[in-house]
Amino acid sequence: EAGVVQSPRYKIIEKKQPVAFWCNPISGHNTLYWYLQNLGQGPELLIRYENEEAVDDSQLPKDRFSAERLKGVDSTLKIQPAELGDSAVYLCASSLGASGSSYNEQFFGPGTRLTVL
Amino acid sequence: AQSVTQLDSHVSVSEGTPVLLRCNYSSSYSPSLFWYVQHPNKGLQLLLKYTSAATLVKGINGFEAEFKKSETSFHLTKPSAHMSDAAEYFCVVSPGRRRALTFGSGTRLQVQP
Repeated sequence: EAGVVQSPRYKIIEKKQPVAFWCNPISGHNTLYWYLQNLGQGPELLIRYENEEAVDDSQLPKDRFSAERLKGVDSTLKIQPAELGDSAVYLCASSLGASGSSYNEQFFGPGTRLTVL
Repeated sequence: AQSVTQLDSHVSVSEGTPVLLRCNYSSSYSPSLFWYVQHPNKGLQLLLKYTSAATLVKGINGFEAEFKKSETSFHLTKPSAHMSDAAEYFCVVSPGRRRALTFGSGTRLQVQP
């Protein structure tokens, strides 16, 4: 079974440029998460989707960040314009939705490492 | 609200010796607790999970953790370290099903030959 797929794996851009990250979750997983992981820290949630609905985006900096999950499957996270402080790893994760699962096991992709120069 | 504190940012052990990675949690709910491992340039992988069943939880690769409510702890242990265990380990808490995970700051485990 394929895991969570993310692309690109690495991205280097200059500040003020736009950038986009793509995530394809595990088939059948209704819940999708985007996390930000700064160097030497644990991941922090940016946004959580239930199918195509963003149900928790309180930590997403909406002045420059946006995300979409139009058909409730794959998702795109965008930054425009990028700032130096956005350099980090962007992780996508997915989990089963309303399946009766009693715990929240999330499966993570390998991440996209963004460097803003 | 929930949070986790990983008490050691860096742990170094010799191969074949026991591993102890410490974690304390705080949660307003009856929490689910997890340990994830992150190898360089690889995705986070679930090691084990506690979800209010048995307090001693066994995971993959010989790791286990014990939930102690009175101490609000969820320490990760392994009887004998292997070189391949060298990685970053995250203690994680979740308030419930399909909710976001709250990660600790991580503990880097080094295994010396």
